[in-house]
Amino acid sequence: QSVLTQPPSASGTPGQRVTISCSGSSSNIGSNTVNWYQQLPGTAPKLLIYSGNQRPSGVPDRFSGSKSGTSASLAISGLQSEDEADYYCAAWDDSLNGQVFGGGTKLTVL
Amino acid sequence: EMQLLESGGGLVQPGGSLRLSCAASRFTFSSYAMSWVRQAPGKGLEWVSGISDSGGNTYYADSVKGRFTITRDNSKNTLYLQMNSLRAEDTAVYHCTKGWGRYPYGVFDVWGQGTMVTVSS
Repeated sequence: QSVLTQPPSASGTPGQRVTISCSGSSSNIGSNTVNWYQQLPGTAPKLLIYSGNQRPSGVPDRFSGSKSGTSASLAISGLQSEDEADYYCAAWDDSLNGQVFGGGTKLTVL
Repeated sequence: EMQLLESGGGLVQPGGSLRLSCAASRFTFSSYAMSWVRQAPGKGLEWVSGISDSGGNTYYADSVKGRFTITRDNSKNTLYLQMNSLRAEDTAVYHCTKGWGRYPYGVFDVWGQGTMVTVSS
């Protein structure tokens, strides 16, 4: 059971916009920044979004993040086949004194 | 390009020990916090442990506290994870990750490919 809650799966067709939610609590998302990671099949995770809505260089602006209270969301617009991957949210948890991850969402491009 | 290369994984019996290493290159290792994140086969990511830039502060997930020890040698640009009293549930790929600041509170911006640890009799 992960501290942060994500839907196990999401899907969309090419060109569509999809969102992935991440629910936490006051000790993690409610008081710290949320980061998102993308894991393509057979590869190591990669930083996708940091500090809630910032993109590292090289990440397309099709990817965006937001946060409200104790929840966060990752949005992917103009869905492409290469976006098919597992997506994880993460944040520092002040009560646990450690990083916590969501269980991951497997995105399928139909 | 910044790189992290893990080593030391393998097959170990329950109750045994293993030490993982992570060699860092192409960035100033001593300026950044580091962490270990693991992924059990077919499962999600789990943060295991983190260490501050100087090594003076260490952090552990409850699942490994008292069994695992994270250390670093800034003169060798190397991160370590000493794993004792290993259990079947510790079986996973262990990734070394780089933080953005002095403490492992935030982002993991560089990931190693990982080293596989299998705990089985």
